[in-house]
Amino acid sequence: AQSVTQPDIHITVSEGASLELRCNYSYGATPYLFWYVQSPGQGLQLLLKYFSGDTLVQGIKGFEAEFKRSQSSFNLRKPSVHWSDAAEYFCAVAAYSSNTGKLIFGQGTTLQVKP
Amino acid sequence: DADVTQTPRNRITKTGKRIMLECSQTKGHDRMYWYRQDPGLGLRLIYYSFDVKDINKGEISDGYSVSRQAQAKFSLSLESAIPNQTALYFCATSDPSGGASNEQFFGPGTRLTVL
Repeated sequence: AQSVTQPDIHITVSEGASLELRCNYSYGATPYLFWYVQSPGQGLQLLLKYFSGDTLVQGIKGFEAEFKRSQSSFNLRKPSVHWSDAAEYFCAVAAYSSNTGKLIFGQGTTLQVKP
Repeated sequence: DADVTQTPRNRITKTGKRIMLECSQTKGHDRMYWYRQDPGLGLRLIYYSFDVKDINKGEISDGYSVSRQAQAKFSLSLESAIPNQTALYFCATSDPSGGASNEQFFGPGTRLTVL
């Protein structure tokens, strides 16, 4: 069965520091992978997605993620964090060949940014 | 105006009451989804619908029912609310014309508290 694991429930970084949020997935075939961000009191917004091709994908707000098939990972990175990046981040996976449209979400990582 | 709207945004109710959460979208998407979000558990799929006549159970459908009144409207009902249904509920839509990309667009959420 598909699953997504975000090992870090809570991360705190200083403003201006680099960030990496981890995501591991379990799926036998080629997955579609997503990172969403949920700011306080708001819905989820798509940051970036990977379907195929270049394994390093660029997203909005200066985020990027790298797909590593050998490690079943899709980690999210940002070189310099801003205070406005404080939010909850969700990794999600969908079946490449599925027509169900279903996403499986990880548990989420809450990012706190110190001034 | 928001593409995916949810009403109400907040609701407090008592055990045993019937509650309906509503979702409307102007994106013209055929697919709609209901999720619940609980701390530490991420988002879990309750129901999803491919069109007005196609309703499917998700992983945690017990205690919930849905109605797809039109392409743009998808309602979630709790027939007899219980305290462990206290959660943040999200509606989402997606457009299958993009293949199995499964990118979903989320509403702002409804925070439901069952006393």
